[in-house]
Amino acid sequence: KAGVTQTPRYLIKTRGQQVTLSCSPISGHRSVSWYQQTPGQGLQFLFEYFSETQRNKGNFPGRFSGRQFSNSRSEMNVSTLELGDSALYLCASSADRGRGEQYFGPGTRLTVT
Amino acid sequence: AQKVTQAQTEISVVEKEDVTLDCVYETRDTTYYLFWYKQPPSGELVFLIRRNSFDEQNEISGRYSWNFQKSTSSFNFTITASQVVDSAVYFCALSEPSGYALNFGKGTSLLVTP
Repeated sequence: KAGVTQTPRYLIKTRGQQVTLSCSPISGHRSVSWYQQTPGQGLQFLFEYFSETQRNKGNFPGRFSGRQFSNSRSEMNVSTLELGDSALYLCASSADRGRGEQYFGPGTRLTVT
Repeated sequence: AQKVTQAQTEISVVEKEDVTLDCVYETRDTTYYLFWYKQPPSGELVFLIRRNSFDEQNEISGRYSWNFQKSTSSFNFTITASQVVDSAVYFCALSEPSGYALNFGKGTSLLVTP
C-alpha cells in the first residue's frame, strides 16, 4: 500500500501571498489531519477532515483553511502569508478517526520570505 | 488541558548502550491514547506504538520497549542496544478527548554514535 503523499515537498513564497498544499491519504483512509511543525512551537494540530467535513480545528487563525474531496484527498490553504508561517506542514491519515494510528506523510517545507 | 512533557531535549549515547526516553503527560480524561513517533532526519514521522489508557501492560517489540504507568502519568520508551540508525527525534503524543488530534511533546533528539 502506498503511504501518505504530500505535494509539493518544498515551497518558497513571499509574505502576503497565498499557498495551497496537497495531501493524498493512504488508500481506504478517510480521516486526514494537518499539523504544523516549527522549531519554536513544535508540532501543532491544525485541523482534521473526515468525509469531506472539518471535524476538529486547532488554535490557528482563519488564514489557515482546508478542505477534503470525495476521494479523501485534502488540501490546506494559507492566505496572506506571514514570515511566521514558515514551517514543515505534515499531513496524516487514519483509518480510525484519531483513535487509531495516524500515518504521516513526508511533509511540505514552506519558507516565507 | 492536556499536556505532554518530554524533559530530555537531547540525549547522546554510544552504540550498544541502552537509552530511555521519558514522557510525562497530563489529562483529566479517563479515556485517552498515548503514542510514540520517530522522526528521522528525512522528516517523516514514523508511528511506533499506541497505548490506550486502560491497557497498562508493558510492551516489547524487538529492541524497543515501553513502560506505561498511570500512577505516575508516564509512558517511557527504552531502546536496548542502540544503533546508529536509531538517531532521530522521538515524540510522545496524547490524543484529545475527541480522539482526533494529537498533542505532541517537544521531542527528544537522540544521537547514537559509533
